[in-house]
Parts: sequence; C-alpha cells; structure tokens
Amino acid sequence: KQEVTQIPAALSVPEGENLVLNCSFTDSAIYNLQWFRQDPGKGLTSLLLIQSSQREQTSGRLNASLDKSSGRSTLYIAASQPGDSATYLCAFRSGNFGNEKLTFGTGTRLTIIP
Amino acid sequence: DADVTQTPRNRITKTGKRIMLECSQTKGHDRMYWYRQDPGLGLRLIYYSFDVKDINKGEISDGYSVSRQAQAKFSLSLESAIPNQTALYFCATSDPAGGVDTQYFGPGTRLTVL
Repeated sequence: KQEVTQIPAALSVPEGENLVLNCSFTDSAIYNLQWFRQDPGKGLTSLLLIQSSQREQTSGRLNASLDKSSGRSTLYIAASQPGDSATYLCAFRSGNFGNEKLTFGTGTRLTIIP
Repeated sequence: DADVTQTPRNRITKTGKRIMLECSQTKGHDRMYWYRQDPGLGLRLIYYSFDVKDINKGEISDGYSVSRQAQAKFSLSLESAIPNQTALYFCATSDPAGGVDTQYFGPGTRLTVL
C-alpha cells in the first residue's frame, strides 16, 4: 500500500526566503505526482504535475522535483511571499490502468511572516 | 463561475439522519471523485466514477453511497450519519485526455455530525 509522508507538518519562514517542502513515498511504481495548494474554505488547486519519466517541473517561483529511486519529491518555493501561506499537499497516482488512484500526503501548513 | 461546485458548503446534522452532498461540474469531465479530509490523515478516497454507468468503491466506502445522475452530477449520501463521519468532504473531476489526469477540486463541504 502506498504511504505518503510530508514533514514538517507546519513551517513558518520570513518573507523573501527560499524554502523546500518535502514529500516521501513508499511505492516507486507511480504514474505521476502532483503538488496541490489548499487555502482555508477553498478546494485544492493543482500547482505542478510531474510524470514518472520526468525529474522536475517549474512554474514561476515554484519548482517540483521527483526522485523515484529514493522515494522523494520536493517543492521549492523561491522568494516567498505572504500570499504563499497555505497548506501544501503532495499526491501520487498509482495503480493499474483504469483503476488509478491518488494517494495524498497529510500536508505541510506554510506560514510566510511579513 | 466555479467549474466544480458543492452544496451545501456547511452542514450540521444529528446522528442517524440521512444526508446528501451534491457535486456539479461544468468542465465536461467523465471522471468524478468523492474524498474526505480529516486532520492528520490527509484526503482519502470514498467513491469514484469514470463515467455515468461506472461506480467504484474507494479506500473508505463503508457508510456511504453515491449516485451519478449525469455526467455533470455526482452525489454522496450518508444513509445514517454517525459522529466519526464529521469531516471536510471534497468532490473532484478529472480528464485523462493527453495522458495527464489532473484532478480539479470543488470548494468542499464541512459536515458536522452531532
């Protein structure tokens, strides 16, 4: 069974700093991974998706990496801003074709201090 | 207008009551999902549907049922609500076209069972 761990559960950093969020998984047989952002009272918003054949994806100040051999993914946020404050979730897609499922981590609650 | 909507957004009910949570989408996606989110446990899949005639149990389907009334509508029912079903419930849709099956989430329904 795929297990996904995100450490730390909460993180506070001053505005302007670069930071890294971590995600680890137990089953390397994945199709892809996604990083989501969750804001209070709102649903999840997909930030980046990395296919299993890729090593990283970038969008603006965000960069996500995938290392299947070590069972790790990271989300790098450059030049953090107060608007980046949210809970960040990683999720892996695995399973047989037609029966794929997403397995979510428990999230890291990020607070950017102005 | 939001692409994925959920009603109600908040609901408080009593043990033993029947509850229905509704989800509608305008994205034209065939695949729809219901998740619940609990503190410290991440999102867990309850049911999913890959088209109108397809319904599948997820990780935690006991105590729940679903109905796929149309491509755009997917309802989740709690036949006899119990307190440990208190959680945040999310509906999501996806489209695997192009090989990238990104999920799009609704804003969530916060359900409290007393």
